[in-house]
Amino acid sequence: DAGITQSPRHKVTETGTPVTLRCHQTENHRYMYWYRQDPGHGLRLIHYSYGVKDTDKGEVSDGYSVSRSKTEDFLLTLESATSSQTSVYFCAISADRVVHEQFFGPGTRLTVL
Amino acid sequence: RKEVEQDPGPFNVPEGATVAFNCTYSNSASQSFFWYRQDCRKEPKLLMSVYSSGNEDGRFTAQLNRASQYISLLIRDSKLSDSATYLCVVNRRGGGSNYKLTFGKGTLLTVNP
Repeated sequence: DAGITQSPRHKVTETGTPVTLRCHQTENHRYMYWYRQDPGHGLRLIHYSYGVKDTDKGEVSDGYSVSRSKTEDFLLTLESATSSQTSVYFCAISADRVVHEQFFGPGTRLTVL
Repeated sequence: RKEVEQDPGPFNVPEGATVAFNCTYSNSASQSFFWYRQDCRKEPKLLMSVYSSGNEDGRFTAQLNRASQYISLLIRDSKLSDSATYLCVVNRRGGGSNYKLTFGKGTLLTVNP
């Protein structure tokens, strides 16, 4: 299995609080992604990174920001969490830009009350 | 029309049955195609890529029809361990030099003893 970890694995927080999710990889892959998965919607891309300090928005980026200061770490921040951001968040990595395969982390279950 | 659409399911089949999943995609510029498998409360994992000539991996056969923009997955001799959600995934060029994976919502398969 690809070396991807996510922390925390579970989090409950209150509306309006900031939340940061961490993705850490040991594969030295250039590309990293954050998705959210919700019933009825499937996986949706939030943000992605194509290198250190290089990031771009996905299809559901509103309310989220990301940072990548090192190859191995990709952080997702909810500046002021809302109940609509209750979801399962998956980080993924890939080795090349053509994206033949993405490897996913175990996911973070976030509940915003 | 959604970019990737799958059979809504769920599928309930007995052990040993043959089951087929279908998927259509709307963007004719899509370049590569995959089936991912996701176990309950786990991360998605690549099951197989789908090639234009069709490809087989043990009990699993994937087919692609570019003219009809249609992808299929056939599972023969179903096992209990095949119970999972199957995600149809399409890759196409997004903005600039980046590529975009789009996931279908998935089809739940339950194989019964």
